[in-house]
Amino acid sequence: GAVVSQHPSWVICKSGTSVKIECRSLDFQATTMFWYRQFPKQSLMLMATSNEGSKATYEQGVEKDKFLINHASLTLSTLTVTSAHPEDSSFYICSAPWLEGEGEQYFGPGTRLTVT
Amino acid sequence: AQSVAQPEDQVNVAEGNPLTVKCTYSVSGNPYLFWYVQYPNRGLQFLLKYITGDNLVKGSYGFEAEFNKSQTSFHLKKPSALVSDSALYFCAVRDTLDQTGANNLFFGTGTRLTVIP
Repeated sequence: GAVVSQHPSWVICKSGTSVKIECRSLDFQATTMFWYRQFPKQSLMLMATSNEGSKATYEQGVEKDKFLINHASLTLSTLTVTSAHPEDSSFYICSAPWLEGEGEQYFGPGTRLTVT
Repeated sequence: AQSVAQPEDQVNVAEGNPLTVKCTYSVSGNPYLFWYVQYPNRGLQFLLKYITGDNLVKGSYGFEAEFNKSQTSFHLKKPSALVSDSALYFCAVRDTLDQTGANNLFFGTGTRLTVIP
């Protein structure tokens, strides 16, 4: 099956710094990728939809200036958490939809961000 | 608007016994329903889906789920649990009337299944 990778798998940064998370589709092209945030014991919350060659679509309540998304190619989307604060600490997951599917998605393994 | 509810945070079952993980949903149109499983340190993996047709759908690893329109439920089941089934299970729904995003899925809060040897 198709594979989606994320890098890094975990990162610790100081408050006020920026962190970039990469999401790659390894053996298929993805014109669309999704970025989720998962809190402990909570569901995945869709943050934004990343579109290759155009601006990302952000969900209500998600600060687009804080969570910068760039979908530079058909196999790479990046999420940059700018001026990170401790409340940004979370598990960030990306996914790409199956081309022939009806909603199924391939998920990356996630990135654990801890802001100190 | 769509929503998914998984009423149980934790389900414990003895190895070899049948298991059920519950899920109910709410959508405006017709639902596309999915189950995903998340193992430690790994991404979510697709288990099965209901789009249309037979209410009982079969998926990976011996799992199945039954779509019940009147009860708006899509419970995940397996006749005989294995210790290796222990993981976090997510139910998800896509509302066919929702045209705001391509393949947007709404997830439940997850149910942690523990199979006791």
